[in-house]
Amino acid sequence: EPEVTQTPSHQVTQMGQEVILRCVPISNHLYFYWYRQILGQKVEFLVSFYNNEISEKSEIFDDQFSVERPDGSNFTLKIRSTKLEDSAMYFCASSEVKFYSNQPQHFGDGTRLSIL
Amino acid sequence: DAKTTQPTSMDCAEGRAANLPCNHSTISGNEYVYWYRQIHSQGPQYIIHGLKNNETNEMASLIITEDRKSSTLILPHATLRDTAVYYCIVHSGAGTALIFGKGTTLSVSS
Repeated sequence: EPEVTQTPSHQVTQMGQEVILRCVPISNHLYFYWYRQILGQKVEFLVSFYNNEISEKSEIFDDQFSVERPDGSNFTLKIRSTKLEDSAMYFCASSEVKFYSNQPQHFGDGTRLSIL
Repeated sequence: DAKTTQPTSMDCAEGRAANLPCNHSTISGNEYVYWYRQIHSQGPQYIIHGLKNNETNEMASLIITEDRKSSTLILPHATLRDTAVYYCIVHSGAGTALIFGKGTTLSVSS
């Protein structure tokens, strides 16, 4: 069964450094998403992306975050200048587009980001 | 905030049916009921979704009340591997956020 893949599984970065988290969504999916989960807390929505544009974003997704689809298969989340509070699991998800039908989002297994 | 209410935790014996309830009394006409689960720190796993009819797939059944204000996820024969946090989410459409609450922690024991 096709799945969303994320790399790396664990990323350790010094505070203030830039980090890029990578995702390969399911191949025929056109909506892409990023979520995060701080240890022991709820899964939180960051951003959704469709047709090379941000479709929706949360208050968490401020100017230090950006997303990009650099080629036909990858979807990335960049954090420009990391802070200690950015330490979390980051999940990528994707979903199909089918008109008149609501399609589920399928998640990857996440990247654990640790900021030192 | 999540638009659903779920019990914090439930227990189930292995091999028995697990029935997980969810209240969503403010659900809108175009919102679907989705169920996901999260095993340990893995990514949320999609289970099933429905609008107003009951649904069944290889993993579970979803029973939605006629007024759509509540639903029940049924795992017909729970196994130890079904131990997870189960999330009930109401969701309106593609590209929009899934709003996760705290979910129900289901513990399956032998």
